[in-house]
Amino acid sequence: DGGITQSPKYLFRKEGQNVTLSCEQNLNHDAMYWYRQDPGQGLRLIYYSQIVNDFQKGDIAEGYSVSREKKESFPLTVTSAQKNPTAFYLCATQDPGNQPQHFGDGTRLSIL
Amino acid sequence: AQSVAQPEDQVNVAEGNPLTVKCTYSVSGNPYLFWYVQYPNRGLQFLLKYITGDNLVKGSYGFEAEFNKSQTSFHLKKPSALVSDSALYFCAVRAPTSGYSTLTFGKGTMLLVSP
Repeated sequence: DGGITQSPKYLFRKEGQNVTLSCEQNLNHDAMYWYRQDPGQGLRLIYYSQIVNDFQKGDIAEGYSVSREKKESFPLTVTSAQKNPTAFYLCATQDPGNQPQHFGDGTRLSIL
Repeated sequence: AQSVAQPEDQVNVAEGNPLTVKCTYSVSGNPYLFWYVQYPNRGLQFLLKYITGDNLVKGSYGFEAEFNKSQTSFHLKKPSALVSDSALYFCAVRAPTSGYSTLTFGKGTMLLVSP
């Protein structure tokens, strides 16, 4: 989706290192979401934010942190506490009500 | 709690034949239902949604889906499959709201269309 930019496309983490995944949007959507995708497990919600300076934990928030200082940006930090970080990470945005979520093209995180 | 089941990990169909990808759901109240498609190393693309009204919903690329409240199902269909339809398909559900509610995804179904 051209309105959501995730970077980098590929990222490698060393043991004990924190890494930050970027998600920027120009769709003017209030709500933003982070999902983790593992083969055969679908998408699982990590964190979401419905408004600037506010966010909520999803189903698998342990080992992750987020911030929402600007409407356009919702970065995800994968901390060293996340022992199995290898996955495909997807960012999404949404308008309120019955609107679908829109997705970025993802960041693939691997362990060195 | 809401949930989605996609009972088939993979669906194989020959080009030109009709295809069906199955989805059943569980949610409190009337559901908002969605289908997405994912190509390798890409994000999810929205195909269609059911909110209310006609049980047969038409979406992008010739896809349609049939909502069945009594069977709590929302199966994705296409009358004539293309090789380019080969991809991973996700069904998703959320509770109805005028604001925001979290979306729950199925585990996905890989569709393989052979020439």
